[in-house]
Amino acid sequence: AQTVTQSQPEMSVQEAETVTLSCTYDTSESDYYLFWYKQPPSRQMILVIRQEAYKQQNATENRFSVNFQKAAKSFSLKISDSQLGDAAMYFCAYRSVRGGSEKLVFGKGTKLTVNP
Amino acid sequence: DTAVSQTPKYLVTQMGNDKSIKCEQNLGHDTMYWYKQDSKKFLKIMFSYNNKELIINETVPNRFSPKSPDKAHLNLHINSLELGDSAVYFCASATGVKTQYFGPGTRLLVL
Repeated sequence: AQTVTQSQPEMSVQEAETVTLSCTYDTSESDYYLFWYKQPPSRQMILVIRQEAYKQQNATENRFSVNFQKAAKSFSLKISDSQLGDAAMYFCAYRSVRGGSEKLVFGKGTKLTVNP
Repeated sequence: DTAVSQTPKYLVTQMGNDKSIKCEQNLGHDTMYWYKQDSKKFLKIMFSYNNKELIINETVPNRFSPKSPDKAHLNLHINSLELGDSAVYFCASATGVKTQYFGPGTRLLVL
């Protein structure tokens, strides 16, 4: 079974600075998807960024980018120019491409605080 | 327009009661999911339906029964509620292996 580990329960960053959230995963599959979701205090789960394992190029979405290291099974999220609105829980998630296994497997989350 | 909606958003009830949570998606997706987020914020899959067919059932007590009347709806019925059922329940939908979109969550509190 796949597992996802987020080793940083909490992180903090100064506004306008850069922060990196760590995520490692364990799988025997060669093709899969990885995601970062954000959960602000409103509780809504919001997709931040997604990476297909077969793509070598790291995904980017505006101020958010990932460092995907397939051999190391590492998928970190970098937030540049941090803003107060980035404060939230961030969840790393894995999704198999095998039929019948399309569930998301989540890490335990990292709580990000942004200091003004 | 809300893509994935859940009702109710909050549910407070007594132990032993039966309750239902409804989920609807207007994205045209063929797969819907229920996830449970516990008090420590850990999210775990409960069920998945594809075109009204149950495809994932993750060791959930049989007091929980999902029902999918059509591919746009997935409801969750819980019998004989227990204190440990208190959590936030999220509905999500997707097509194939594409991104899952989540509803706003239903916070259930069992007293």
